[in-house]
Amino acid sequence: DTGVSQDPRHKITKRGQNVTFRCDPISEHNRLYWYRQTLGQGPEFLTYFQNEAQLEKSRLLSDRFSAERPKGSFSTLEIQRTEQGDSAMYLCASTPETDTDTQYFGPGTRLTVL
Amino acid sequence: SQQGEEDPQALSIQEGENATMNCSYKTSINNLQWYRQNSGRGLVHLILIRSNEREKHSGRLRVTLDTSKKSSSLLITASRAADTASYFCATDLTGANSKLTFGKGITLSVRP
Repeated sequence: DTGVSQDPRHKITKRGQNVTFRCDPISEHNRLYWYRQTLGQGPEFLTYFQNEAQLEKSRLLSDRFSAERPKGSFSTLEIQRTEQGDSAMYLCASTPETDTDTQYFGPGTRLTVL
Repeated sequence: SQQGEEDPQALSIQEGENATMNCSYKTSINNLQWYRQNSGRGLVHLILIRSNEREKHSGRLRVTLDTSKKSSSLLITASRAADTASYFCATDLTGANSKLTFGKGITLSVRP
């Protein structure tokens, strides 16, 4: 499968714990986006990378959230001291340099904070 | 706040009928896109229409864009049970570096 992959698909954690999600974009896609989707809502932009550079962060991305893309390939999204309000689906998308308009989404990681 | 607002929020039709979904937005866009999401899964890109285009077709999909009214519609012809999903419009705002702003989505149910 050469699509965007995300790991894990589901994560259940207790409030206060740290969690880390991974996204592997389509090979050679240089842009990578993170979105968060809560129940009954559309996805909301969190942050994006062009290669290894994090170029924009939403105000939704509080200081408990950090994202990295160290080698310009896979990316990780870490949430520290999780809160119940962090429960959501975290979606990753990537685009090639030749067509930055179309984003290819992964299956998402569903986070449940108890 | 979300840029796009879809209408209706939910739509239930019989297989074979056409489904029309509408989206309105607020500010200037580079393009508007429609995505489909099956329950609990990621989004699948359906079709993109640029701000200088008025209509596009892709298979059973037809999308229109009226920039003067800041609105778009997605038509799915000859619907199938497999079309049952949530549909989202997403706008690529001018100067937004291709980050997408999504609406809340429309839940389409196609009865066999």
